[in-house]
Amino acid sequence: AQKVTQAQTEISVVEKEDVTLDCVYETRDTTYYLFWYKQPPSGELVFLIRRNSFDEQNEISGRYSWNFQKSTSSFNFTITASQVVDSAVYFCALSEARGSGGSYIPTFGRGTSLIVHP
Amino acid sequence: AAGVIQSPRHLIKEKRETATLKCYPIPRHDTVYWYQQGPGQDPQFLISFYEKMQSDKGSIPDRFSAQQFSDYHSELNMSSLELGDSALYFCASSLGTAQFYNSPLHFGNGTRLTVT
Repeated sequence: AQKVTQAQTEISVVEKEDVTLDCVYETRDTTYYLFWYKQPPSGELVFLIRRNSFDEQNEISGRYSWNFQKSTSSFNFTITASQVVDSAVYFCALSEARGSGGSYIPTFGRGTSLIVHP
Repeated sequence: AAGVIQSPRHLIKEKRETATLKCYPIPRHDTVYWYQQGPGQDPQFLISFYEKMQSDKGSIPDRFSAQQFSDYHSELNMSSLELGDSALYFCASSLGTAQFYNSPLHFGNGTRLTVT
């Protein structure tokens, strides 16, 4: 079963529109971490944000903001006033403790492709 | 700031050949991770190393092996290549303690492997 669900496969917006990318996760752990990564057409994976399960404060960084709600197991990402350069695939990821070693390895969602038209 | 370096950027191999991918982590990072991303897919975890020892294992085929060297760089060796191995292979690095306290992974630009 998919532990991280990004139900939106592709979103298309016009520049300057606001857009929210949804992420719903599934875990039984009390300690876990959530991430968002951006993958532009050039292919690299760019880290955007990390959140731990004990910190539900929303965060804003420029045009980016994140809404973490444990009650709904969601970690949504909003881009305000989108720009063409925001066009990319965005991945949400979840890290839970694995095995006896307790290491954390991110598991990615399927990604949401955002296309921003001029 | 220095990032994770992967080489080569692109690699074309034929079926049944072998391939070696290299990864140089961010300086002072002692943990490396390998991920495989098929076309239109999400990255899938293959294997990780901490202080030159394998620390975790994901969906890595038996035909693949990897190791981390004394300078912390890592190599992913792939043998008996199949068409389905065509993918983008990412290496990521983090600080050792991050393995357990979960600092973010910093990814390289990936190696695009095409098997024909």
